[in-house]
Amino acid sequence: DAGITQSPRHKVTETGTPVTLRCHQTENHRYMYWYRQDPGHGLRLIHYSYGVKDTDKGEVSDGYSVSRSKTEDFLLTLESATSSQTSVYFCAITDQYGYTFGSGTRLTVV
Amino acid sequence: AQTVTQSQPEMSVQEAETVTLSCTYDTSESNYYLFWYKQPPSRQMILVIRQEAYKQQNATENRFSVNFQKAAKSFSLKISDSQLGDTAMYFCAFMKMLGGSEKLVFGKGTKLTVNP
Repeated sequence: DAGITQSPRHKVTETGTPVTLRCHQTENHRYMYWYRQDPGHGLRLIHYSYGVKDTDKGEVSDGYSVSRSKTEDFLLTLESATSSQTSVYFCAITDQYGYTFGSGTRLTVV
Repeated sequence: AQTVTQSQPEMSVQEAETVTLSCTYDTSESNYYLFWYKQPPSRQMILVIRQEAYKQQNATENRFSVNFQKAAKSFSLKISDSQLGDTAMYFCAFMKMLGGSEKLVFGKGTKLTVNP
């Protein structure tokens, strides 16, 4: 068990408001990822981190920012939420076995 | 860029029967890793099976096995003796290497329903 916790598990927010999702891991993994899951698209990479304060963009990064001030925490921020960002968001880590995912956050933007 | 294609959006099978989910991928790499993930209604992403491209032997995990055809770039998942708990979305995924910053590339998924 990679000890990955995502919070919140569910969130409803209004268009135009900022939203921050949190991913917390307890096993000192270097690499952390944020994916979004949408019907008909599978999972797509938003941003990833390869160390404290080291992050890079994925394929669907527009409208999102991330921060990693501590090894254990990787934050995903929607600066001004839009309805197109309604999705399920997964955090993940990698190790020698592959990827391990958190339990996901369902975000609804109304 | 690598791509993963799952051509069956939905499938159904009767309990205790066998079902095969298809996956093809495109890459110019010679060594890589392939995965099948299961996502039940609980939303949790669960690793079902992993295949290293340099291994000719097909991976097996209990009732789950793969048919890995490297030349054809095909990676199908066979579920034997299907159980009601196998009802889930199944995602095929590709990764160039383990342990680094490589991203996992997913197919769009196959929704499997096991009927009693």
